[in-house]
Amino acid sequence: GEDVEQSLFLSVREGDSSVINCTYTDSSSTYLYWYKQEPGAGLQLLTYIFSNMDMKQDQRLTVLLNKKDKHLSLRIADTQTGDSAIYFCAESDGDKLSFGAGTTVTVRA
Amino acid sequence: SQTIHQWPATLVQPVGSPLSLECTVEGTSNPNLYWYRQAAGRGLQLLFYSVGIGQISSEVPQNLSASRPQDRQFILSSKKLLLSDSGFYLCACTRGATNTEAFFGQGTRLTVV
Repeated sequence: GEDVEQSLFLSVREGDSSVINCTYTDSSSTYLYWYKQEPGAGLQLLTYIFSNMDMKQDQRLTVLLNKKDKHLSLRIADTQTGDSAIYFCAESDGDKLSFGAGTTVTVRA
Repeated sequence: SQTIHQWPATLVQPVGSPLSLECTVEGTSNPNLYWYRQAAGRGLQLLFYSVGIGQISSEVPQNLSASRPQDRQFILSSKKLLLSDSGFYLCACTRGATNTEAFFGQGTRLTVV
């Protein structure tokens, strides 16, 4: 199977919280990432977390890592229309860098 | 910060012709280098990665190959293109052991006709 898996679509109402989930298989992962890709643009690093951390918060973004279950999530508080994009989960063991298929987040008014 | 130069931006090639896509990196030394193919609904499929000159790891069996002749140069090649090789190819780099961020090239849209 794929190294990194995430659901393909998420629809959320403006102002609500979005939660995007990701699972990975590599137990030697040292870094886990969330990237954002807006229409017609390249990938932009949103945030990353080291594997020895459980949580990282950065303004409206909260990353939770459950290393035992190999589960990573990204919570976006107060979701805005500008948050509509594809969000990619990625993991690295320091050498190999693997991405998930991306979750398309659609924010509706 | 790192800058990645990837060319060409678009390419139309006939089936059976050879391919050479080049990627060069500025602003860092001894980077990890990656080739991805991005397809709708499949995200970024890792094709090859390299942690040093001459060191290539292949992730999926395919009609493509990669080479790293210099520290900051990564080349994606094929001897004979197939229709199924059409796609959007991205080169990326990280700073090796401290790869807290990947930087991407602008991508090459390859159409095999």
